[in-house]
Amino acid sequence: DIQLTQSPSSLSASVGDRVTITCRASQTISMYLNWYQQKPGEAPKLLIYAASTLQSGVPSRFSGSGSGTDFTLTISSLQPDDFATYYCQQSYSNPTWTFGQGTKVEIK
Amino acid sequence: EVQLVESGGGLVQPGGSLRLSCAASGFTFSRHWMHWVRQAPGKGLVWVSGISSDGTTSNHADSVRGRFTITRDDAKNTVYLHMNSLRAEDTAVYYCARDVRALGVMSFFDYWGQGTLVTVSS
Repeated sequence: DIQLTQSPSSLSASVGDRVTITCRASQTISMYLNWYQQKPGEAPKLLIYAASTLQSGVPSRFSGSGSGTDFTLTISSLQPDDFATYYCQQSYSNPTWTFGQGTKVEIK
Repeated sequence: EVQLVESGGGLVQPGGSLRLSCAASGFTFSRHWMHWVRQAPGKGLVWVSGISSDGTTSNHADSVRGRFTITRDDAKNTVYLHMNSLRAEDTAVYYCARDVRALGVMSFFDYWGQGTLVTVSS
């Protein structure tokens, strides 16, 4: 089974900071990697799919990069609405899907 | 407007059964894979089950295989999760999600329901 490991598990940052979250796959997954944002009490929201394609309606301060086993989600300038938990997900092993354990972004 | 509305959650005793439903609207349901994803209290997201657009292919996570079954009824635009032999560790919010394919192969979940809580306890 493909495992996804996110780092860090949590981080504290200030409004305006550049934030980077990493997701590492246990084997190569090409670009079959998606990112989601989840706020407390809400359903997850798709941010980026296929490693680097921004979902419609998602602010351009979010970006994704990577291929193979190493991927990155970057928030170029953190906004108050961005404090949430972020998850990566792989679909390479379709019909089995896997999520990372999550990265909680908190206010410093 | 795409909508996914889950129902059927509640309190059930260990060893019991429950059927979750997810009613879809606002899109051509029969063209999409559909999934169930769960989240235990204070924990992360875990994919549970998925079913193909034509209903011929389905799969389940190892943790629920043999106990849970995903089905769909395209006439009712509804996907179901049949849960048997429930355990305390199945306690979670269960979300249904729509699957979309980029370039026909790269799967991602673009719409999610609000979730339904399943609590397994005596």
